[in-house]
Amino acid sequence: DTAVSQTPKYLVTQMGNDKSIKCEQNLGHDTMYWYKQDSKKFLKIMFSYNNKELIINETVPNRFSPKSPDKAHLNLHINSLELGDSAVYFCASSQPYTRANVLTFGAGSRLTVL
Amino acid sequence: QQQVKQSPQSLIVQKGGISIINCAYENTAFDYFPWYQQFPGKGPALLIAIRPDVSEKKEGRFTISFNKSAKQFSLHIMDSQPGDSATYFCAARGRLGGGADGLTFGKGTHLIIQP
Repeated sequence: DTAVSQTPKYLVTQMGNDKSIKCEQNLGHDTMYWYKQDSKKFLKIMFSYNNKELIINETVPNRFSPKSPDKAHLNLHINSLELGDSAVYFCASSQPYTRANVLTFGAGSRLTVL
Repeated sequence: QQQVKQSPQSLIVQKGGISIINCAYENTAFDYFPWYQQFPGKGPALLIAIRPDVSEKKEGRFTISFNKSAKQFSLHIMDSQPGDSATYFCAARGRLGGGADGLTFGKGTHLIIQP
């Protein structure tokens, strides 16, 4: 069973379109994240939700809107896509307040904006 | 701004050699230092981690050395194998924007082990 699963794995779209990426975790973790990995492999946190509540919102354009319907799901909706949004988006989860607080990542969703 | 500086950006090591990746941090409030390994097309996966009250941690061929006074830590891969070829990220746990805890990542090291 995949612990953190993301769909779709690949997404190719035109500038100006709106797209969504979905994430689900079956680890029972309370916290979920979205990270963006650019072409240089740099990993940058975008959002974090703890038990459906937004707790981290780094400097991200408001075209990006996360939504957590329950603590096992965290979706990312992107409006008016731009060329610079092309990247790999990783969902991750963790259990806070534990000794390890280890992040478990999904396999990533590669977004290409043409 | 919290930062974790990682070097080198890329590294080529012969099979059987020792791979060494270095990281430095600024925020003394960081309390946990994991290393992640990422293969092409996959998400990063936890490799090994250390707490700042420990100077070294070893798991198989992977060792973290931690120097709290210098605010530096490094990953050593002994007897490097072609299967170790991947991108490695160091990270540090601390307060991010909004006051919540999270990981700040280094920029990654692309490691190639030549047969």
